[in-house]
Amino acid sequence: EAQVTQNPRYLITVTGKKLTVTCSQNMNHEYMSWYRQDPGLGLRQIYYSMNVEVTDKGDVPEGYKVSRKEKRNFPLILESPSPNQTSLYFCASSLSVPGGTYEQYFGPGTRLTVT
Amino acid sequence: KQEVTQIPAALSVPEGENLVLNCSFTDSAIYNLQWFRQDPGKGLTSLLLIQSSQREQTSGRLNASLDKSSGRSTLYIAASQPGDSATYLCAGQNAGGTSYGKLTFGQGTILTVHP
Repeated sequence: EAQVTQNPRYLITVTGKKLTVTCSQNMNHEYMSWYRQDPGLGLRQIYYSMNVEVTDKGDVPEGYKVSRKEKRNFPLILESPSPNQTSLYFCASSLSVPGGTYEQYFGPGTRLTVT
Repeated sequence: KQEVTQIPAALSVPEGENLVLNCSFTDSAIYNLQWFRQDPGKGLTSLLLIQSSQREQTSGRLNASLDKSSGRSTLYIAASQPGDSATYLCAGQNAGGTSYGKLTFGQGTILTVHP
């Protein structure tokens, strides 16, 4: 089954404790992206990757890191989480062509709480 | 910077009614525009994607149109059903340049279809 998976689905952590949220897709998509969703602010893009070893900032990259060492995986790293990073996080992937991408497929989401 | 606005923020209709959801964007240089559905506590499901060269796309009871010159897209839902109740989001992808992987979402329209 074609899908995007995220782990963990739920996470409660404390300020400053490094964490990684994993994202994996089995569709051989070049493009992957991370978003956060907050009430009243909607979905905002954190980082995206057009292909292996190619990443770029979205609208809200501060406090996050990403890496793309393999085509199927795109982990999101919070080096020193803070309470304002409490949010619902989504990973997405799609095929890409020069100049753009196609339909985006989303993972089920990771609900993160930082106390 | 691209901004995407969706009107109305919420809509409640009786079953069987035809309805239109609106999405407007400030930068007409988009590569594509995508409509999503999000059920409470769930991820996003892609409904329709319209490339910048297209005017509309149809899938079953759904029809999405795109007018780049006016910066507008509409999602038409025919013969609405209670199962259509969800939040509907539109997102525009940047075209060209070095940031063509960026996706900007609207705040969404919460649709309730009552029996």
